[in-house]
Order: sequence, then C-alpha cells, then structure tokens
Amino acid sequence: EIVLTQSPGTLSLSPGERATLSCRATQSVSSNYLAWYQQKPGQAPRLLISGASNRATGIPDRFSGSGSGTDFTLTISRLEPEDFAVYYCQQYGSAWTFGQGTKVEIK
Amino acid sequence: EVQLLESGGGLVQPGGSLRLSCAASGFMFNIYAMNWVRQAPGKGLEWVSVISGRGDTTYYADSVKGRFTISRDNSKNTLYLQMNSLRAEDTAVYYCAKPLRGLARDAFDVWGQGTMVIVSS
Repeated sequence: EIVLTQSPGTLSLSPGERATLSCRATQSVSSNYLAWYQQKPGQAPRLLISGASNRATGIPDRFSGSGSGTDFTLTISRLEPEDFAVYYCQQYGSAWTFGQGTKVEIK
Repeated sequence: EVQLLESGGGLVQPGGSLRLSCAASGFMFNIYAMNWVRQAPGKGLEWVSVISGRGDTTYYADSVKGRFTISRDNSKNTLYLQMNSLRAEDTAVYYCAKPLRGLARDAFDVWGQGTMVIVSS
C-alpha cells in the first residue's frame, strides 16, 4: 500500500500570504495519479487538483499543483479568507489512499 | 446538476448491520465506477470501497474486507454499502463519491453530503 505523508500538519498564515503544502509517497505514484482536496468543517471534501497539476472545474487559478514520482506540492499563491481549511492529498494509481491532511489556519 | 444523496446511517450496536444507500442524479450513473469514503470524527479521509459501472468488479480496504459489501442497482441509480459485523472503529461519516471521468482510477469530483454511522452499545 502506498502511504502518503503530508507536511506540515498545520500551517499558520495570514490572508494574502503564499501557502506551500507537501505530500510525499512511500512509492512512486503511477501516471501522477495524485489529487488534492479541500475540506471545511461540516462539509464534504471538494476536488481542487487531479493528475497532480490539473485544476478542477471552477477552481481559482491561485491553486496550483506540481510534482511527480513521490513528491507533490499544492501551492496557494495568495490566501483568501475562504481558503482556510484542511487539505488532503490522495493517490489513485495503486488502490486509493489519502494523506492525513494539512490544516491551513489563520495566523 | 450532478448530485449524490446518502441515507441509511444511524446508531447500531457492535456486531450489528446497517445498509447505506446513495441516490445519484444528473449523470449517466451506469457508466461510472462509484466509491465509498469514510471519515471518523475528527480524523482524516479513508477510502472504503469501489465498484465498477456494471457492478462486476469490486475492491475493498483491508479494514472492511469480508465485512462490507458494495453493490449497485443501475435501474434505480443507487449505490449501496452493506455493513456487517460492525465495530466501534467503523464509526464515521460515510460519503459516496463519483470519479471525475468514470474510471475507477480517478479523482473524486462529486461527493454526497455524508451519512453518520455510530457503532456503540
């Protein structure tokens, strides 16, 4: 099973700042089948990025994904108030697994 | 509009059974693989199971294998999760989730609102 480790566990930033979230896999993720989700309290997750770097429909361009193999990054270029949430990475190349999440909180 | 609506959650005793349903609308349900994902209170997401569009291929997380059964009725656009021999650690919100392009190996672009399952005596 591919295990995904996200870092940091919590990111404390101010609106307007840049957020860089990391997701590292224990094995190479085939075909870069790596997705990122945003989840707010009491809500279902929302797909942000698929295929490591493809923004989902309706996702603002301040969200970008990059990486390949075992190391992936989600970048939020300028944090808006609505971006403070928990973010999960997921690989779907070999079964399906999620990272443990990174909480982006207001500093 | 694409929608998924789960139902069937509730309080059940350890060792008991429960069947969850997920009613789908707004897309060609029968050509999409479908998934169940769960989230224990205050914890992260855990993929549970997937079923192919025709219902002839299924996969399960090791944590539920042999206890849970995923199925679908394409005539009713409905996905199911039969949960037997429930344990306290199965307590979670259960989401059904649709893959982006229909393939099993895909990200999940539509999620239901979730249904809560509590396993407790």
